[in-house]
Amino acid sequence: DTAVSQTPKYLVTQMGNDKSIKCEQNLGHDTMYWYKQDSKKFLKIMFSYNNKELIINETVPNRFSPKSPDKAHLNLHINSLELGDSAVYFCASGLGGTTDTQYFGPGTRLTVL
Amino acid sequence: DQQVKQNSPSLSVQEGRISILNCDYTNSMFDYFLWYKKYPAEGPTFLISISSIKDKNEDGRFTVFLNKSAKHLSLHIVPSQPGDSAVYFCAARATGTASKLTFGTGTRLQVTL
Repeated sequence: DTAVSQTPKYLVTQMGNDKSIKCEQNLGHDTMYWYKQDSKKFLKIMFSYNNKELIINETVPNRFSPKSPDKAHLNLHINSLELGDSAVYFCASGLGGTTDTQYFGPGTRLTVL
Repeated sequence: DQQVKQNSPSLSVQEGRISILNCDYTNSMFDYFLWYKKYPAEGPTFLISISSIKDKNEDGRFTVFLNKSAKHLSLHIVPSQPGDSAVYFCAARATGTASKLTFGTGTRLQVTL
């Protein structure tokens, strides 16, 4: 009965590869997010979708492409992986709005070799 | 440009005493603030929030204080318990930015016996 789940939990890959991280929420929320936590532990938003529509798109390389097949899923595709992409990626969901509380998944630790 | 700052990377407190975690921000458009708690290998979990129209919000052992003129907020945990040992993130949302959260870099709290 996990609220926000991500797969895989760990991902180790070579530079130049393409990989995907999946996220699902069963909370009935309309809004989903992707965050990146880098080596300095700085947690920064990358994207947000509301009902399958992109509403937040921070300055992220276009090698990163979110895809939302329905409002319960938000997947992250990363093309041509680089060493600097190594980080922990967190998915989150919420109701949206100005007082939204976001619920986070357990994170996916991506290591690019 | 780090708009939310947690200047103490770590804090150690004895069980039963008060823990005070601090957060400073620079963006005067921030109007909603949240504290999240994070255990290792897990995603952040929501703890408590406060709107800029208030200066205090309390929930059990947790109280958040907001000083808008100083652009400062603090989280008080009384009494501290060993299970409170975690990393605490301060987050803020600006008016008109949908549900985008800006996070601080976190403070690691260790509650000792």
